[in-house]
Amino acid sequence: DAGVIQSPRHEVTEMGQEVTLRCKPISGHDYLFWYRQTMMRGLELLIYFNNNVPIDDSGMPEDRFSAKMPNASFSTLKIQPSEPRDSAVYFCASSLTGVNTEAFFGQGTRLTVV
Amino acid sequence: DAKTTQPNSMESNEEEPVHLPCNHSTISGTDYIHWYRQLPSQGPEYVIHGLTSNVNNRMASLAIAEDRKSSTLILHRATLRDAAVYYCILRDPRAARQLTFGSGTQLTVLP
Repeated sequence: DAGVIQSPRHEVTEMGQEVTLRCKPISGHDYLFWYRQTMMRGLELLIYFNNNVPIDDSGMPEDRFSAKMPNASFSTLKIQPSEPRDSAVYFCASSLTGVNTEAFFGQGTRLTVV
Repeated sequence: DAKTTQPNSMESNEEEPVHLPCNHSTISGTDYIHWYRQLPSQGPEYVIHGLTSNVNNRMASLAIAEDRKSSTLILHRATLRDAAVYYCILRDPRAARQLTFGSGTQLTVLP
């Protein structure tokens, strides 16, 4: 397996524009997580899914953020409208059901909103 | 979530052992201790985890204090590729699936 695949790797957009980040989890994994990393706040969980169903979205900062998982092999994180403070590296991770299965992270998407 | 405390940074010489400490005095009986690391410009990656007994794998060893209030990640022979931020994370698998990251320890390996 190629691991967790995120696209794009880098995104530069203007304030007010819609941004969509994409994630393909490892095949067979039934948990999917979206994290955001900034220098100020470190790694923060935004939302996670189990079997394509959102379980905990308490970390989603505002209504401008939304996440979907239409099937087991694809998830999106959308920001509309984007703001400069959304600039960060966004990571997607996936894991199997199990007591202590490890989480596998993608390479991340570096988002810059100007 | 129970909190962990790690030094902000540590240095090590290449090919020497490294002991990365983590304090977790409020750990509960059902919390597992997980270690992840994040290499530059990459996502975090799993290193090791344990509950009470010391654990070894191909990457590292985890030494857990008898009272479980602290643990140490041991890299037996540091290489330049081990330079990363190392995160010590507590997780009760019955209560949460997600990992809650702290600020971690930035390990610098000197040639």
